[in-house]
Amino acid sequence: DIQMTQSPSTLSASVGDRVTITCRASQSISSWLAWYQQKPGKAPNLLIYKASSLESGVPSRFSGSGSGTEFTLTISSLQSDDFATYYCQQYNSYPFTFGGGTKVEIK
Amino acid sequence: EVQLVESGGGLVQPGGSLRLSCAASGFTFSSSAMSWVRQAPGKGLEWVSTVSGNGGTTYYADSVKGRFSISRDNSKNTLYLQMNSLRAEDTAVYYCARSGGNYFSCWGQGTLVTVSS
Repeated sequence: DIQMTQSPSTLSASVGDRVTITCRASQSISSWLAWYQQKPGKAPNLLIYKASSLESGVPSRFSGSGSGTEFTLTISSLQSDDFATYYCQQYNSYPFTFGGGTKVEIK
Repeated sequence: EVQLVESGGGLVQPGGSLRLSCAASGFTFSSSAMSWVRQAPGKGLEWVSTVSGNGGTTYYADSVKGRFSISRDNSKNTLYLQMNSLRAEDTAVYYCARSGGNYFSCWGQGTLVTVSS
């Protein structure tokens, strides 16, 4: 199975900050990576697919990059609505696996 | 508007069974692979199972293989998850998700399954 490791697990930031979350795969997954945002008590919401493609309706302050084994999700200017938990997911091969999550908290 | 609505969750004893349903609307259901993803209380996301658009191909996580069965009725736009031999560690919110590109583009609101005596 492909292991996905996210860092950091928790991140404290202020509105307006640039935020970067890293996701590493235990083997190459090409660009088959997605990012999700989840708020408490809600279902996850797709932000990015194929490592860098922005899902329709997602604000342009979100961007993704990387390929192979190392990926990043960047929020260019953190907004109050962005405080949430973020997950990466590989879909290169079954079983699909998620990272452990990164909780973005208010500093 | 794409909509997924799960139902069928509840409290069940260890060793018991439960069938979850997910009613889909707003897209061509038969053309889209569908999946179940779960989340134990306070934990992260875990992929459970995926079924192809025509129902002919299925995939399972090792943790549920042989106990859970995914299926779909394209005439009813409905996805199912039959869960047998339930264990305490199966306690989670179960989400159905549209997974046409193998990522999860749309999610239901989730249904809680609690396995406890």
